[in-house]
Amino acid sequence: KAGVTQTPRYLIKTRGQQVTLSCSPISGHRSVSWYQQTPGQGLQFLFEYFSETQRNKGNFPGRFSGRQFSNSRSEMNVSTLELGDSALYLCASSLERTEAFFGQGTRLTVV
Amino acid sequence: GENVEQHPSTLSVQEGDSAVIKCTYSDSASNYFPWYKQELGKRPQLIIDIRSNVGEKKDQRIAVTLNKTAKHFSLHITETQPEDSAVYFCAAIGGYQKVTFGIGTKLQVIP
Repeated sequence: KAGVTQTPRYLIKTRGQQVTLSCSPISGHRSVSWYQQTPGQGLQFLFEYFSETQRNKGNFPGRFSGRQFSNSRSEMNVSTLELGDSALYLCASSLERTEAFFGQGTRLTVV
Repeated sequence: GENVEQHPSTLSVQEGDSAVIKCTYSDSASNYFPWYKQELGKRPQLIIDIRSNVGEKKDQRIAVTLNKTAKHFSLHITETQPEDSAVYFCAAIGGYQKVTFGIGTKLQVIP
């Protein structure tokens, strides 16, 4: 059974640009969550999608958005990138109220 | 919304000693409490979890306790080994799969 796959693994963007990250969940998992991880800040919850609907949202500005497709794959978009957006972005998929399986993450560097 | 506090933020123990990490949560509706271990450069992975209808769970050298009344849960690692060195995250999951993570505890096991 394939794990959670995130692409790309590494990304370098300049300030003001936008970026789209992709997450393919484990087959059968309909819940996909996104997290931002930075040193000292732990895992900051961005949002969670379930059956193509955003079900939960963290405290991030509107520049951060996402969507989920009918096959449960999810994308996260960040517009007007800022230096502070540099982080490891992790997605996780799960069945309802069970263990979340994380992807390897996408390391975003904004220069 | 849910708030999860985790402490200590760093913990150093001698090999063979025990380590305890504590978390408190605010939402009484939370009913699933997983613990994740993240080794350097790797994705977080579940090491143990507990549901609200259980007070304690053990898996070899790892145990988790839950006090619903006080809204706190703890991770206990006995006979620590160098490979236990990592960052540990607690989490609380409430309604609609909303996940809130603690800030993380960096555990260092000194040989």
